[in-house]
Amino acid sequence: DTGVSQNPRHKITKRGQNVTFRCDPISEHNRLYWYRQTLGQGPEFLTYFQNEAQLEKSRLLSDRFSAERPKGSFSTLEIQRTEQGDSAMYLCASSSENDWLSNQPQHFGDGTRLSIL
Amino acid sequence: KNQVEQSPQSLIILEGKNCTLQCNYTVSPFSNLRWYKQDTGRGPVSLTIMTFSENTKSNGRYTATLDADTKQSSLHITASQLSDSASYICVVSAGNAGNMLTFGGGTRLMVKP
Repeated sequence: DTGVSQNPRHKITKRGQNVTFRCDPISEHNRLYWYRQTLGQGPEFLTYFQNEAQLEKSRLLSDRFSAERPKGSFSTLEIQRTEQGDSAMYLCASSSENDWLSNQPQHFGDGTRLSIL
Repeated sequence: KNQVEQSPQSLIILEGKNCTLQCNYTVSPFSNLRWYKQDTGRGPVSLTIMTFSENTKSNGRYTATLDADTKQSSLHITASQLSDSASYICVVSAGNAGNMLTFGGGTRLMVKP
């Protein structure tokens, strides 16, 4: 399968715990994006990487959130000291830098659904 | 502020019927407009992508239109099937970076037999 892969698909944890999600993009894509989506809403941008460089962070990304892409391949999104409001679907997407020139879309994974008890 | 508004928020139609979903945007500068289909519990999947110079694009039973002057787009679904039940999200790009995408809230379509 050459699509975007996210793990785990579901995560249930108690408030105050730390959680980490992983995203494996399409192998030839150098851009990787993280989004958050709550029920009935469209995705909201969190951050994106070009190779290993984190180029932009949304104001939604509080200091409890950190994302890494150490080798420019897979990425992790960590949430520390989780709160009820963190319950959402966390989506990862990837694209090639050249996709913009040829108007190709971002390719999304199926997300990690986080539930905070 | 860049915004994308979709209507209706939800829609129920009978199998075999046609429907049209609307998207209005205030995004500047405009680069392209995309429609995505999102099944429950899955990630969005691209249906169409249109640039400023394109006013219609089809993908099977899905036809998207774009009026860049009025900043409106529509997604027309012909001969709906049960598998069309999903959320349809309009996304407008203002540039080539991830933070330049503005997502609409989606239209939730339910197709009933």
